[in-house]
Amino acid sequence: KQEVTQIPAALSVPEGENLVLNCSFTDSAIYNLQWFRQDPGKGLTSLLLIQSSQREQTSGRLNASLDKSSGRSTLYIAASQPGDSATYLCAVPVSGGYNKLIFGAGTRLAVHP
Amino acid sequence: GAVVSQHPSRVICKSGTSVKIECRSLDFQATTMFWYRQFPKQSLMLMATSNEGSKATYEQGVEKDKFLINHASLTLSTLTVTSAHPEDSSFYICSALGHEGANTEAFFGQGTRLTVV
Repeated sequence: KQEVTQIPAALSVPEGENLVLNCSFTDSAIYNLQWFRQDPGKGLTSLLLIQSSQREQTSGRLNASLDKSSGRSTLYIAASQPGDSATYLCAVPVSGGYNKLIFGAGTRLAVHP
Repeated sequence: GAVVSQHPSRVICKSGTSVKIECRSLDFQATTMFWYRQFPKQSLMLMATSNEGSKATYEQGVEKDKFLINHASLTLSTLTVTSAHPEDSSFYICSALGHEGANTEAFFGQGTRLTVV
């Protein structure tokens, strides 16, 4: 059964720092991995989708890497800003599937000026 | 990215009443949609898979008679919480896939905060 773990659970940093958020999963036979952002009381915004054949994806100040063999992904946020404050969730499809997603508990990020 | 719209964003209802939540894919057709539930400071838990034109598939432990799902068209799925009780108070979020296949991106609605009093 697929399980997803995110470390750290919470992070508070001053503006401008480069950050690394970690995600690990137990079943490495995944089709893809997706990173989301969730603002308080809001839905999810898709940030990056990494296919199983890829090792990383980049969008602006965000870079996500994927190491299937070790069951890990990292989300790198460069030059953090207060507007980056949110909860970041990673998700992978259920074991043997590619539609239903299993989510980690998330990393709550606070970037202060 | 694709847009998924969820309505209402907030609803307060009395115990024993039913509440309907709508999930629409605005600029694409979705044969499959998903309903998730999120408790405060916890992650999303999949409740059910909504299939256009057929019965929904529920995850283990989710009461299908309690959470009625209808997916009558390629752009609309509804979740009805029947005979709501305070323990049903939660944040409900739907999602739809951009297209069928192994490397498709999931898009989520804005969520519905349900409070049962």
